[in-house]
Amino acid sequence: NAGVTQTPKFQVLKTGQSMTLQCAQDMNHNSMYWYRQDPGMGLRLIYYSASEGTTDKGEVPNGYNVSRLNKREFSLRLESAAPSQTSVYFCASSERIAPDTQYFGPGTRLTVL
Amino acid sequence: QKEVEQNSGPLSVPEGAIASLNCTYSDRGSQSFFWYRQYSGKSPELIMSIYSNGDKEDGRFTAQLNKASQYVSLLIRDSQPSDSATYLCAVNIENSNYQLIWGAGTKLIIKP
Repeated sequence: NAGVTQTPKFQVLKTGQSMTLQCAQDMNHNSMYWYRQDPGMGLRLIYYSASEGTTDKGEVPNGYNVSRLNKREFSLRLESAAPSQTSVYFCASSERIAPDTQYFGPGTRLTVL
Repeated sequence: QKEVEQNSGPLSVPEGAIASLNCTYSDRGSQSFFWYRQYSGKSPELIMSIYSNGDKEDGRFTAQLNKASQYVSLLIRDSQPSDSATYLCAVNIENSNYQLIWGAGTKLIIKP
């Protein structure tokens, strides 16, 4: 039982490049989330998926897109990376839509030059 | 603008003492409150949730909620060096099914 897994762990991009962050959970959870964490700031919700087949914007969705591929997988795509997107990205899942205990993946540290 | 405020610290506490972490929030309609622990370079993990006014105890941890004053606190008794971490407070937004507002966290250092 791996919980929530994320790939890659680290990534360096040049401005304008695109990439997809992958997230998968094996807890049969219905809801999944993408957050970013910046120094001195709280976690900020980018997108969430309340259940398979649905996705919605969170607090800071600009510059990102998501896909809920199936119940297990939720990916985050940066179409044209900008230095302001340098951050640590966490995927999380919960049995029910928040507020409910959220289980976090190990994170992806992204640097955009 | 909904906000959750925490003292960034660091809060330094001797081993074996009680560590007290505080969190205030702005949304009077908030009903769900969470404390997460985050070790350096790691992901957040849930310590406790609390939904009703008063105290909730779990082992060495006690969460305290006062909705009238809009604060929630976390007490750690018999603090251990392994408790050294950043503690994040998260609060739900009224009328939102999904969104938690997160504080920036308090860094706690337990001195042996």
